Amino acid sequence: DAKTTQPNSMESNEEEPVHLPCNHSTISGTDYIHWYRQLPSQGPEYVIHGLTSNVNNRMASLAIAEDRKSSTLILHRATLRDAAVYYCILRDPNTGTASKLTFGTGTRLQVTL
Amino acid sequence: KAGVTQTPRYLIKTRGQQVTLSCSPISGHRSVSWYQQTPGQGLQFLFEYFSETQRNKGNFPGRFSGRQFSNSRSEMNVSTLELGDSALYLCASSLGPYAPLTGTTEAFFGQGTRLTVV
Repeated sequence: DAKTTQPNSMESNEEEPVHLPCNHSTISGTDYIHWYRQLPSQGPEYVIHGLTSNVNNRMASLAIAEDRKSSTLILHRATLRDAAVYYCILRDPNTGTASKLTFGTGTRLQVTL
Repeated sequence: KAGVTQTPRYLIKTRGQQVTLSCSPISGHRSVSWYQQTPGQGLQFLFEYFSETQRNKGNFPGRFSGRQFSNSRSEMNVSTLELGDSALYLCASSLGPYAPLTGTTEAFFGQGTRLTVV
């Protein structure tokens, strides 16, 4: 799987939007961009994924650059429960099943009152 | 429906012993993957099973092995334990086989088994 680069940590105030960036300059045409997060003492959980177009779901939005070399996960109103490590992962659907993921170091998000 | 269940949650073993960890995927899921998480190395992929066949393997020594049963439950085994094997071992399941083509985009993780080797 292609490599991703994320900032080690970010901070946000509660109730404010958070933009978590991810660089993936070696992304291939078939790679999907997935985001997972890991809350303290939990296994990772799926957040969102996309290929080319921006995506929204109940948890977050995913903005994908036109050249696909970067993407941004947007939490519209951060809460204390959003404090977690966020992982940006590239997945080629032709290599393995959805359970096989290659994790990078992720971004640790701190949310303060 | 029930999530991914891993047993036991905590385990303490002595160096040189072997250990078997169990993972019950979400009902209907046929793909199971295992991961090791340590503070130094982060989350690393161990292996992936689909329909009882190992499909992919990470870069771990042969002391780490796994299998999947016909009911999709999976076990992983670590023989001749070393201190460095102390970690959180996570299991993930998905419907499979190929994520976006079948609409099966999510992997669901269990809470993990915390293994301490002393």
